[in-house]
Amino acid sequence: DSGVTQTPKHLITATGQRVTLRCSPRSGDLSVYWYQQSLDQGLQFLIQYYNGEERAKGNILERFSAQQFPDLHSELNLSSLELGDSALYFCASSYGDSGNTIYFGEGSWLTVV
Amino acid sequence: GENVEQHPSTLSVQEGDSAVIKCTYSDSASNYFPWYKQELGKGPQLIIDIRSNVGEKKDQRIAVTLNKTAKHFSLHITETQPEDSAVYFCAASHQGGKLIFGQGTELSVKP
Repeated sequence: DSGVTQTPKHLITATGQRVTLRCSPRSGDLSVYWYQQSLDQGLQFLIQYYNGEERAKGNILERFSAQQFPDLHSELNLSSLELGDSALYFCASSYGDSGNTIYFGEGSWLTVV
Repeated sequence: GENVEQHPSTLSVQEGDSAVIKCTYSDSASNYFPWYKQELGKGPQLIIDIRSNVGEKKDQRIAVTLNKTAKHFSLHITETQPEDSAVYFCAASHQGGKLIFGQGTELSVKP
């Protein structure tokens, strides 16, 4: 158990809908990262937050947004969902914002039908 | 841009043999290189990492080597066991904490 908690574990929704994925980082960690894992794209970095501030951005679609709250938990919002958004979404956390060990949660399986 | 190439994509070995997975990174500013093991239905689990000021690191049956000049790093697993079967990912990081991952290697250890 990495200490990173993600909910929900599984989610099935229809195209055009909006979903929110939630992440609680390891106790004491200030950075939260979101990754998308699909069969054809591997593990793709989406976005990083450090102590509530956006720190780095990857190939995150405009339909997707994230935030980190004062209690350091984070949410990833996915809107106007398309079939191609079906993937495993991972949250990860680390203590600092650079060069620290990064621990992953168990992921949220999103299926868009 | 940043890129990490990982080979092979699949690897099958007999129990007790060694397994080697190789990665090449593109950004010479990369300074942190972790390896993750991912089992089916689970999140990536860190198994070993190395920083750019170290050439080699070992932890029991697992070792990682880094060649900064060639921008290569490798994972070595000795005395493989069936429970080592999983997908292994290498990654590189430099600007901030984000990790750029290789495409993964599916390791199968046959009893």
